[in-house]
This record gives sequence, C-alpha cells and structure tokens, in this order.
Amino acid sequence: AQSVTQPDIHITVSEGASLELRCNYSYGATPYLFWYVQSPGQGLQLLLKYFSGDTLVQGIKGFEAEFKRSQSSFNLRKPSVHWSDAAEYFCAVWGGARQLTFGSGTQLTVLP
Amino acid sequence: SQTIHQWPATLVQPVGSPLSLECTVEGTSNPNLYWYRQAAGRGLQLLFYSVGIGQISSEVPQNLSASRPQDRQFILSSKKLLLSDSGFYLCAWSANTGNLLFFGPGTRLTVL
Repeated sequence: AQSVTQPDIHITVSEGASLELRCNYSYGATPYLFWYVQSPGQGLQLLLKYFSGDTLVQGIKGFEAEFKRSQSSFNLRKPSVHWSDAAEYFCAVWGGARQLTFGSGTQLTVLP
Repeated sequence: SQTIHQWPATLVQPVGSPLSLECTVEGTSNPNLYWYRQAAGRGLQLLFYSVGIGQISSEVPQNLSASRPQDRQFILSSKKLLLSDSGFYLCAWSANTGNLLFFGPGTRLTVL
C-alpha cells in the first residue's frame, strides 16, 4: 500500500523568505502526486499535481514542486512567501483503486 | 464549471444522537464521490467512496455509513454518534475515470 510522509509538522518562515516543504512517498509504481492547501476551517484546494513528464511542475499561487524518483520525494517550494500563504499543506499520492493517500500535513506560519 | 456543496457547515450533536451530512455536486455527471475525515491535528482518512448510485465502498470499520441516492448526492450517516466521531468531514469528487479530487468546504462536527 502507498504511504506519504511529511516530516515537518510545523514550519515558520518570515514573509519574503523562501520555502520548502518536504514530502516523501512510498508506492511501487510510477506515482501520481499532489499538493493541497487548507486554510483554517476550509476545504482543500489543489496547488499542483504531477502525473508524468517534466519533473518540475508549476502550480497556483507561485508554488512549484519537483519530483525526484531516486529520492521518492515531491517537495513543494516557493521563492518568496506571502502572509496569505499561512495554512496547512498536504502532500498526497494516488495509488490506484480510487485511493488518494495523504500525509499528515505541514502547518506553515508566516512571520511579518 | 463544477461546484461541490456540503451542509451543514458546522454541527454540534450529543453522544448517541443520529447524524446526516449531505454533499452535492453540480456541473458534472457520474462522478466518483468520497467522504474523508480529518481529526484534530491529524491527516485525512478516507471513509467511503462511491463510483455510482447505490455503490458504496467502506475503507474503515466504524459506526458511520454512507449512501448515494442520486448521481450527484452523497450522504454520511450515523444512527448513534460517539465522541470519537468529532472531526472535520470533507466530501470530494473526481471524474469517473480520473484521479484528481476536488474537495468541498467541509463540515465541522463536534460530539459532546
């Protein structure tokens, strides 16, 4: 069965600083990978996805992620964070059988 | 465009009372539908998914049940709520052949 690990429960960065959120997955075949963002009390919004092709994918709100098969990673990055990026971020892997498995999430705090 | 609705947005119920949460999707036909639960400080757990009317798959044993009486309607129910049923319940849909999930705004359930 597939699994996702987000090793950082909470990350704090200053506004304008760069950001990298880590995600490692476990899946036997080529994975479909996703990043979602959740603001407090809200549903999940899709930031970006990787299905195949270019390993660097661009998403909404200036986010990007890089798929590295050798490291089983799909880290999310943003060159300059904004206060509005404060939220919880979830990495997910699609493992077939209609199963989207999520990591436990990373809470991002942005300092002014 | 497609939209997904959930209601109620928040709900406070006593232990032992029944539950009914509703999810509806607009702008698409024959979607796959999903119920996820997000407990405080934890990731998302898939509870049920449905590929068609009357077709429900359960992912975890529990005192919750799901039904799909119409193509774009998905209901989460319980006959008697437990304290452990408290959480944030998210409905999601995907295209019938797709692996890209779109989430609703969620329902915050507190069982007292």
